[in-house]
Amino acid sequence: QKEVEQNSGPLSVPEGAIASLNCTYSDRGSQSFFWYRQYSGKSPELIMSIYSNGDKEDGRFTAQLNKASQYVSLLIRDSQPSDSATYLCAVNKGLWDSSYKLIFGSGTRLLVRP
Amino acid sequence: GAGVSQSPSNKVTEKGKDVELRCDPISGHTALYWYRQRLGQGLEFLIYFQGNSAPDKSGLPSDRFSAERTGESVSTLTIQRTQQEDSAVYLCASSLDRGADIQYFGAGTRLSVL
Repeated sequence: QKEVEQNSGPLSVPEGAIASLNCTYSDRGSQSFFWYRQYSGKSPELIMSIYSNGDKEDGRFTAQLNKASQYVSLLIRDSQPSDSATYLCAVNKGLWDSSYKLIFGSGTRLLVRP
Repeated sequence: GAGVSQSPSNKVTEKGKDVELRCDPISGHTALYWYRQRLGQGLEFLIYFQGNSAPDKSGLPSDRFSAERTGESVSTLTIQRTQQEDSAVYLCASSLDRGADIQYFGAGTRLSVL
């Protein structure tokens, strides 16, 4: 079992719709959770971080965390063609792992159709 | 500097040659990470530096891979006797310190081993 799992997609949504991206993780000791956006040929760009159960909203983005279910999601409202990218879920064990390295999923490719 | 800087941006080499990849982290960031991203995959952790010591080398795939860091600045990742399976994008990230878990990525070095 991979430590961080994502559906590879592509997830195709029409412009203006809500895109829902999901991620599960295996280590219950994980402390911090991140969503990175990566355009083709570019480096990952942090778009959301979440540390406690519940929802965290930032503009059109909402991250949701459920530690009991070991599940983290990203909702993108009013999706735009410019949101088309690969979204990487990353998990950090924090205090349980002295290096604070990020464990990444393989990413979900999102395609927003005009 | 303003961001994490990596050089070269692209490197083409012949199988069996050694290569050096350079990372210049954000000024003042004490933690530095190297990741590898194969085509269509997520990021794999390679090594973590806190200052110039490397407490976590667990991701280095073989003894052909090594890395150094000078103080709290530049790091060099060296791959000896390159193999075709080493072809990937090598990404460097830095964070303010070990406990500040938001990592900022450079643009990466695309390595192609012929």
